[in-house]
Amino acid sequence: QKEVEQNSGPLSVPEGAIASLNCTYSDRVSQSFFWYRQYSGKSPELIMSIYSNGDKEDGRFTAQLNKASQYVSLLIRDSQPSDSATYLCAVRYNFNKFYFGSGTKLNVKP
Amino acid sequence: GAVVSQHPSRVICKSGTSVKIECRSLDFQATTMFWYRQFPKQSLMLMATSNEGSKATYEQGVEKDKFLINHASLTLSTLTVTSAHPEDSSFYICSANLGAEQYFGPGTRLTVT
Repeated sequence: QKEVEQNSGPLSVPEGAIASLNCTYSDRVSQSFFWYRQYSGKSPELIMSIYSNGDKEDGRFTAQLNKASQYVSLLIRDSQPSDSATYLCAVRYNFNKFYFGSGTKLNVKP
Repeated sequence: GAVVSQHPSRVICKSGTSVKIECRSLDFQATTMFWYRQFPKQSLMLMATSNEGSKATYEQGVEKDKFLINHASLTLSTLTVTSAHPEDSSFYICSANLGAEQYFGPGTRLTVT
């Protein structure tokens, strides 16, 4: 059974702070990792992908991957109220199939 | 911009009727598409993998005779909810892989009265 685990939250941070979202996965052969943002009532939107160990930065977002420890994280700098959403971690185990965590709800307070 | 579209975005139907939802990949061919269902405040649940030109692969517990999937072309997959009941009311989302990444359609909110 391939599992992707996330803390459901909610994670509350003040506006301007750094939000740190974490995800662990069970299968060592995983090669591709993704973060999606889902606003209430909307479908998930891809915000970051990461394939190799280390950090990947895109604007205010930084994805971090540590394959030895089997975790992937997402940092959101200078958090804004518009970042309030549920963040889904996804892991691709084979060419087609993705496995999703249950998501972490982030609240950014003005 | 959007790479996957869905239609309709919202549908209300009466119990016992069937509803068809379309999922299209825009400007790219998708030999595989996925269908998910999401109940309020719950996580995504993969229902089935739609394969162009062959039968869909259903996840455990998903009734293939109730949720009919047809992937007739490289850009279109359809999900038909047959004999819908109120408990089928949910948010149905399709997705397709473009390169290494998976992109979601905007979703279809189904309400069965």
